[in-house]
Amino acid sequence: SQQGEEDPQALSIQEGENATMNCSYKTSINNLQWYRQNSGRGLVHLILIRSNEREKHSGRLRVTLDTSKKSSSLLITASRAADTASYFCATAGGAAGNKLTFGGGTRVLVKP
Amino acid sequence: SQTIHQWPATLVQPVGSPLSLECTVEGTSNPNLYWYRQAAGRGLQLLFYSVGIGQISSEVPQNLSASRPQDRQFILSSKKLLLSDSGFYLCACPSSGTGLYNEQFFGPGTRLTVL
Repeated sequence: SQQGEEDPQALSIQEGENATMNCSYKTSINNLQWYRQNSGRGLVHLILIRSNEREKHSGRLRVTLDTSKKSSSLLITASRAADTASYFCATAGGAAGNKLTFGGGTRVLVKP
Repeated sequence: SQTIHQWPATLVQPVGSPLSLECTVEGTSNPNLYWYRQAAGRGLQLLFYSVGIGQISSEVPQNLSASRPQDRQFILSSKKLLLSDSGFYLCACPSSGTGLYNEQFFGPGTRLTVL
C-alpha cells in the first residue's frame, strides 16, 4: 500500500494563481520529499524536508510538515504554465529504511 | 552529480517474450540503485533495490528479476512477459551514492508496452 497519499488527485488553476497540494502518510519518517514529473519523463527532485523541520522554501515552492498529523503540503506560488506536471510526495526512513515510498501524485494543470 | 542512463527509451514486446532493461550510472561509485515501476496515471512502486554488486532485494513478488553485474549497472529482466508488466520503468540512485535518506536522482525511464 502507498505510504503517502496526495490530495487532490488533480488540480486545474490559472496562471498566476497559487497551487496547494497535500500529502498524508502513515508511519514514522526521517524525511519527506516532493518530486515533479513532466508527462512521460523521469522524476525531478524538488525539495526535502526532514522530520525535525516544519517549513522549507525553495524559490516559488513552500513545503510544510506536520509530524503530529503525519501530513505535508506543497505550495507553488504564482504558478506558470511550465508548472504543469504531476507532483509526488515520497517518504524515507522509519519503517521503510533507506527506501522511498511514493504517493499516487497530484496532476496539476496551469492554464495560460 | 550523478547521471543515470536507461535504455531502451521505449519498448513494445509480445506476451511471453523475454525482457532486459538496462540502467547505468555515472558520477558516483558503489551507489544504492533502485528500480521502480509506474502504471499509467499512478505513483511509483519500488520493485528492487541493490546496495552493491550481486546484492538484490525484491520488494514485491512478481514476474521480474534484477541483477547488478557491475558497480554502476543495474538490469531488470523477465523470462516471459505478462500484460500486467506494461508500465514506465525508472531507475534511481541517491544523491550521495549510498545516501541514506537523501533525495534520489531518476533516469529518463523506459516505457514498456506488452501486447
